[in-house]
Amino acid sequence: AQSVTQLDSHVSVSEGTPVLLRCNYSSSYSPSLFWYVQHPNKGLQLLLKYTSAATLVKGINGFEAEFKKSETSFHLTKPSAHMSDAAEYFCVVSDLGGSSNTGKLIFGQGTTLQVKP
Amino acid sequence: KAGVTQTPRYLIKTRGQQVTLSCSPISGHRSVSWYQQTPGQGLQFLFEYFSETQRNKGNFPGRFSGRQFSNSRSEMNVSTLELGDSALYLCASSSRGNEKLFFGSGTQLSVL
Repeated sequence: AQSVTQLDSHVSVSEGTPVLLRCNYSSSYSPSLFWYVQHPNKGLQLLLKYTSAATLVKGINGFEAEFKKSETSFHLTKPSAHMSDAAEYFCVVSDLGGSSNTGKLIFGQGTTLQVKP
Repeated sequence: KAGVTQTPRYLIKTRGQQVTLSCSPISGHRSVSWYQQTPGQGLQFLFEYFSETQRNKGNFPGRFSGRQFSNSRSEMNVSTLELGDSALYLCASSSRGNEKLFFGSGTQLSVL
């Protein structure tokens, strides 16, 4: 069965400093991994998606994530935090369950990113 | 292109009532998934519909049901509401499922 574990429930950084949000995954299959962001009172927005084409995935708003199979990790990074990055971030794995197409996503518990001025 | 539209935005119901939530996917998307988000349980998958057929189902009781129409619009229904059903219900659409999902802003359901 697929699962994801976000290692930090809350991360606080100063504006202009790097961001690191950690995620470990467990998957019986070659996983599809995602990072989504949720701003207050908003729906979820896809930041980036990994599907085995490249281990370093670039997303929107300067975010990127590196897939490390040996460490079963998919950490999200950004070189310089902006105040607008303050939000809830979710690491997500797609539950293929043996079929090639399914819209079932398994979400981590989320990491709240606080950005201090 | 218009995004995923969920209506209503807010709902207040009392225990024992039933409720129907609506989701209009992005034009051309045939897959619609529903998720429940609560502070305690996080985001949990309810079910997915593709071309009017339920393709996948999460671990929720039978009080939670859904359907999809020929125009890909979807509804979910919760019968005999319980206090624990209070949550943000999110709908997401994609062209085939297992692609990047586009989420609506959700329906905030409060059960009193």
